[in-house]
Amino acid sequence: QQPVQSPQAVILREGEDAVINCSSSKALYSVHWYRQKHGEAPVFLMILLKGGEQKGHEKISASFNEKKQQSSLYLTASQLSYSGTYFCGTENYGGSQGNLIFGKGTKLSVKP
Amino acid sequence: DAMVIQNPRYQVTQFGKPVTLSCSQTLNHNVMYWYQQKSSQAPKLLFHYYDKDFNNEADTPDNFQSRRPNTSFCFLDIRSPGLGDAAMYLCATSPATSSYEQYFGPGTRLTVT
Repeated sequence: QQPVQSPQAVILREGEDAVINCSSSKALYSVHWYRQKHGEAPVFLMILLKGGEQKGHEKISASFNEKKQQSSLYLTASQLSYSGTYFCGTENYGGSQGNLIFGKGTKLSVKP
Repeated sequence: DAMVIQNPRYQVTQFGKPVTLSCSQTLNHNVMYWYQQKSSQAPKLLFHYYDKDFNNEADTPDNFQSRRPNTSFCFLDIRSPGLGDAAMYLCATSPATSSYEQYFGPGTRLTVT
């Protein structure tokens, strides 16, 4: 079951903040976050495994809610290099472990 | 540097003409994945190998096959490419399944004429 990502796209000025959400109707085993720049491979950002977990550093961080049905990615004081498409990839309980189902992505554009 | 390498980066094939895409890794990871990514869409898992064990996704067409002759190499064979198979094909590796980061190669962009 594909996770739902929102928003689909966001445009920021340098220095502004953004939040990208990833949600599922069922509890998830884990959530992975990746960033993909145009024409390039996805690059790993972080994995969240535990309900209530928060991870990352002050500029890019993520949370996983207690019910493990929603994760949010926080981009603080955005830089031009943050531009790209952000995907969450989810692992489901009971499915083939390690198989990620990716959301449709959130296209982030950071303008000077 | 340890990495995931895909060759070629760009591949053009004719409708119905078999094509093979290659992936190699120097990470010594047990798991190798193949994803298909169409324009402006999410990567979609086709199949993966855990060591020599092949795991096919239920909705992967029979037209797509894979081989893993050794730990380092994995191949994606498209037996009879259709126009709808034009996409970026991404190879990824991971030390194990479940809760590990996946390391992606740069991808092969396949064009079908």
